[in-house]
Amino acid sequence: GDSVTQMEGPVTLSEEAFLTINCTYTATGYPSLFWYVQYPGEGLQLLLKATKADDKGSNKGFEATYRKETTSFHLEKGSVQVSDSAVYFCALTHSGNTPLVFGKGTRLSVIA
Amino acid sequence: EAQVTQNPRYLITVTGKKLTVTCSQNMNHEYMSWYRQDPGLGLRQIYYSMNVEVTDKGDVPEGYKVSRKEKRNFPLILESPSPNQTSLYFCASSTGLAGVGLYEQYFGPGTRLTVT
Repeated sequence: GDSVTQMEGPVTLSEEAFLTINCTYTATGYPSLFWYVQYPGEGLQLLLKATKADDKGSNKGFEATYRKETTSFHLEKGSVQVSDSAVYFCALTHSGNTPLVFGKGTRLSVIA
Repeated sequence: EAQVTQNPRYLITVTGKKLTVTCSQNMNHEYMSWYRQDPGLGLRQIYYSMNVEVTDKGDVPEGYKVSRKEKRNFPLILESPSPNQTSLYFCASSTGLAGVGLYEQYFGPGTRLTVT
């Protein structure tokens, strides 16, 4: 079945550092890919998405590019802030009414 | 405001005492789903529903029941809770329609359940 693998956390960075959180997937066909973010004490929010190969999703300074050849969707941000501290989830789903498949999440802590 | 609401937000109960966690969405979404979140395991789907009166098992349905009598509501029922059901539970909804950009799932704030 489909699966998503994320880099293990926690990731601790200083403010203004560059962030990469790796995500690779195993799936048949051409799934849509997502990054969700969970701030402390809250539910998940969609951060960005990409629906086909070479698409780049972006939001709030975060970016991720759908790489079909490497089955990856790595999350990047050029300069993190303390307010970016959260748990980040990579996820995929197929066209049609199929459930989201989540990675295990990566906790990011940004220190001032 | 478009939202998914869950109640209660926190619940401590004892083994075997039936409980229901409610979930409601005001976006007229067809698709609704329940997840549990556990450390080191991420989110795992419990049950989902494509539409009214249509429900299906997710990855970890054992010990749970759901119902979908109305489009907006999707309660999660634990008939006889056990300690291994101690977890953080999330309800989510989406339009469920095929097509570009229509797979965003909106999540509720979560219900932290402790079963002693």
